[in-house]
Amino acid sequence: DAGVIQSPRHEVTEMGQEVTLRCKPISGHNSLFWYRQTMMRGLELLIYFNNNVPIDDSGMPEDRFSAKMPNASFSTLKIQPSEPRDSAVYFCASLEWQRNTEAFFGQGTRLTVV
Amino acid sequence: AQKITQTQPGMFVQEKEAVTLDCTYDTSDPSYGLFWYKQPSSGEMIFLIYQGSYDQQNATEGRYSLNFQKARKSANLVISASQLGDSAMYFCAMREDNTNAGKSTFGDGTTLTVKP
Repeated sequence: DAGVIQSPRHEVTEMGQEVTLRCKPISGHNSLFWYRQTMMRGLELLIYFNNNVPIDDSGMPEDRFSAKMPNASFSTLKIQPSEPRDSAVYFCASLEWQRNTEAFFGQGTRLTVV
Repeated sequence: AQKITQTQPGMFVQEKEAVTLDCTYDTSDPSYGLFWYKQPSSGEMIFLIYQGSYDQQNATEGRYSLNFQKARKSANLVISASQLGDSAMYFCAMREDNTNAGKSTFGDGTTLTVKP
């Protein structure tokens, strides 16, 4: 398996624009997590899914953020409209919950909002 | 209260020496798992080692070992024979088994610098 795949790796956008980050989890994994990493706040859990169903989105900072998982092999995190303070590295991770494996992380998307 | 505490923002170690990175945790769940991840400057998150709460022995993976002291709620990472490539940020994480979907809580991380 190629691991968790995130795209794009880097995104630079202007304030006010919509940004969509994409994630393909490892095949067979049933839990998916979106994290945001900044110097100030460290690694924050934004939202996570189990069997494509959102379980907890309490970490999503504002209504500008939304996430979907339409099927077991794809998830998106959307920011609309984007703001400079959204600049961060966004990680997607997946695991097979019942097997108690570690979380496998994607390479991350470095988002810069100017 | 913080569930995972890493009290060392930064650590230095001489190449070839051993280093211990501290991690304490807080949970009332009797069943949980503890993880350590490495994040080099390139940014990826690399899984290093796992310890289950019911494991009788400390986990080891090559040069990494986990000093698990359950009564003290500590899960320190020991890196033996440090190498320059060990310079990175290290995160401790905990997964409580009563949580849905395998959510993990991460500490703030420790930046390790290996000096030649």
